[in-house]
Amino acid sequence: AQTVTQSQPEMSVQEAETVTLSCTYDTSESDYYLFWYKQPPSRQMILVIRQEAYKQQNATENRFSVNFQKAAKSFSLKISDSQLGDAAMYFCAYRSTQGGSEKLVFGKGTKLTVNP
Amino acid sequence: DTGVSQNPRHKITKRGQNVTFRCDPISEHNRLYWYRQTLGQGPEFLTYFQNEAQLEKSRLLSDRFSAERPKGSFSTLEIQRTEQGDSAMYLCASSIRGANYGYTFGSGTRLTVV
Repeated sequence: AQTVTQSQPEMSVQEAETVTLSCTYDTSESDYYLFWYKQPPSRQMILVIRQEAYKQQNATENRFSVNFQKAAKSFSLKISDSQLGDAAMYFCAYRSTQGGSEKLVFGKGTKLTVNP
Repeated sequence: DTGVSQNPRHKITKRGQNVTFRCDPISEHNRLYWYRQTLGQGPEFLTYFQNEAQLEKSRLLSDRFSAERPKGSFSTLEIQRTEQGDSAMYLCASSIRGANYGYTFGSGTRLTVV
C-alpha cells in the first residue's frame, strides 16, 4: 500500500520569506497523481496544487510551486512571498491510478506558522 | 455554487448512541467521498459514491458505519453504537472530474463521543 510521509510536523516562516514543506511517498507505480492541500484553522481543506507523475515539469500556481523528484519519490511544496493567510496545516496526498480506486492517501500534515 | 455543505458542524453524543451526518455536495458533482480525520492525522478514506452507487469502501468502515446516497444528491453517514474511538472530524468531498483532479471538501462534522 502507498504511504505518504511528511517529516516536518511544524514549520515557521517570516512574512514575505520563502518556505519549503517536504513530502515523500512510497509506491511501486509509475503513473500517479500528487496533491498539496491547505487546511486553515476551523475551515475546509483547499486544493493548492496538483502534479501528474508522467509530467516532468514542476507544477506552479502563483506563489506556490512544487519540486517533484520522481526517482527520489519526493514532492516538496515551496511557498514564495509568504503571507499571513498562508498559515494553515498543509497535507500532501497521493492518488494511485491502479485498480480504479478514487481514494487519496494523505500524510500527517505540516503546521505552517507565518510570523509578521 | 455554494460549495460542499455538511451538517451538523459539531455533534456531542454519549457512547452507545447512534448519530447521522449529512453532506450536500456541489450540485453538479456526481462523485462523493467520506473521510475521517483524527487529531494529528491526515484524512483517511472511508467510502466513495458515484451517483447513488457506493463503489468503494475502506476496511475502516466497520459494520457500525453505513453510508447512503439515495438519489445521487446528498449523502448520509450513520454510526451506530458509537464508541469513544469514533471521535473525529468527518469530512465529505465531491468532484465532477474524479480523483485525478482532486476534490472539493466540506468543512466537516466534528464528532465527540463522551
